[in-house]
Amino acid sequence: AQKITQTQPGMFVQEKEAVTLDCTYDTSDPSYGLFWYKQPSSGEMIFLIYQGSYDQQNATEGRYSLNFQKARKSANLVISASQLGDSAMYFCAMREGQTGANNLFFGTGTRLTVIP
Amino acid sequence: EAGVAQSPRYKIIEKRQSVAFWCNPISGHATLYWYQQILGQGPKLLIQFQNNGVVDDSQLPKDRFSAERLKGVDSTLKIQPAKLEDSAVYLCASSLALGNTEAFFGQGTRLTVV
Repeated sequence: AQKITQTQPGMFVQEKEAVTLDCTYDTSDPSYGLFWYKQPSSGEMIFLIYQGSYDQQNATEGRYSLNFQKARKSANLVISASQLGDSAMYFCAMREGQTGANNLFFGTGTRLTVIP
Repeated sequence: EAGVAQSPRYKIIEKRQSVAFWCNPISGHATLYWYQQILGQGPKLLIQFQNNGVVDDSQLPKDRFSAERLKGVDSTLKIQPAKLEDSAVYLCASSLALGNTEAFFGQGTRLTVV
């Protein structure tokens, strides 16, 4: 089974508007971490935001916030006030557990295009 | 603070040739990952080191891929012999430790096998 599912291959958003990128995950481990990365056309993976499974509040980092719904196993990324520079691939990832290999599993990504 | 360094940035080889990639993680980072990212897909973990020991190499095609991390710092990933389907970006990442800390990525090596 897929550990991370991103169902939106591509999304468009008007500049200055907010956009939500979807991510659902699958794990039976009670301890896990959820990450969002941005990958511009230059190829590097840029860490955006992190949510721990035991965190009580949704994570926020500047214009990025993570809408964490544990019962639904979703961890959607919300980007507010979109900018042209936000156009990139966005990947959701999960690391399971405090034991074991702690692999970081990635979804297939969502390509965001910000329209002027 | 210097980031994760990878070289080369680009490599073109013929099938059946061998190739090696190098990664220097962020100083002090114990955990090092090698990922393969095929065009249009998310990164797939190939191998994970904790210091100089292998934590997980279950997804590494061991008949042709090998990796080492001597002295627990730099790492090399080798493909021998390469196949057309190995064309991808190979990303190296490091993190401070196991657990819920973010991984920092290098710029990757884009490999084209012709």
